[in-house]
Amino acid sequence: DAKTTQPNSMESNEEEPVHLPCNHSTISGTDYIHWYRQLPSQGPEYVIHGLTSNVNNRMASLAIAEDRKSSTLILHRATLRDAAVYYCILREGGGATNKLIFGTGTLLAVQP
Amino acid sequence: DAGITQSPRHKVTETGTPVTLRCHQTENHRYMYWYRQDPGHGLRLIHYSYGVKDTDKGEVSDGYSVSRSKTEDFLLTLESATSSQTSVYFCAISLGQGAGGGELFFGEGSRLTVL
Repeated sequence: DAKTTQPNSMESNEEEPVHLPCNHSTISGTDYIHWYRQLPSQGPEYVIHGLTSNVNNRMASLAIAEDRKSSTLILHRATLRDAAVYYCILREGGGATNKLIFGTGTLLAVQP
Repeated sequence: DAGITQSPRHKVTETGTPVTLRCHQTENHRYMYWYRQDPGHGLRLIHYSYGVKDTDKGEVSDGYSVSRSKTEDFLLTLESATSSQTSVYFCAISLGQGAGGGELFFGEGSRLTVL
């Protein structure tokens, strides 16, 4: 499985946008980019995923570089509830099993 | 909403004893997964299942076995628990098989302590 690289931690202020980067230089043409987050003492929670085009949903936006070697998860207005570990994961598009291999993620702290 | 129930939620056991964790889903999803989470390691895939009696190994399968005799239940067994298996265990189901595989939905976790 292709590997992703994320900063260990980031800090943001409440109500400001947050840009969480992810590098995946070995991504293959069929790999999808998935983002999950994990709030304290909870299981991971799906955030968003995409292949080539930028994606938006009610939780966040995903901006994918043209060469697909990096992506950025955008939280438009951080809240205290967004403090969590954010995982960027590559999922093989051709695989039938949908298994996801997690890295160590980025710990996002949100200051009031 | 997808429903996953993990049991037990907390367990303390002694080294060498067998332990079974149960993951129960209510919506007949085909794919189910067991992960463990330890400080500094993120989540690591133990085993997964792609149907009744169809299972395969993940990254860290040594010391674990699984069974899926019916769609709704995926059991994780530690035949002889060791202290290195002290962890939080998460079960997950796949909510779709569309482009990109869809999302995984996770249970609340089972905290296992092996003394």
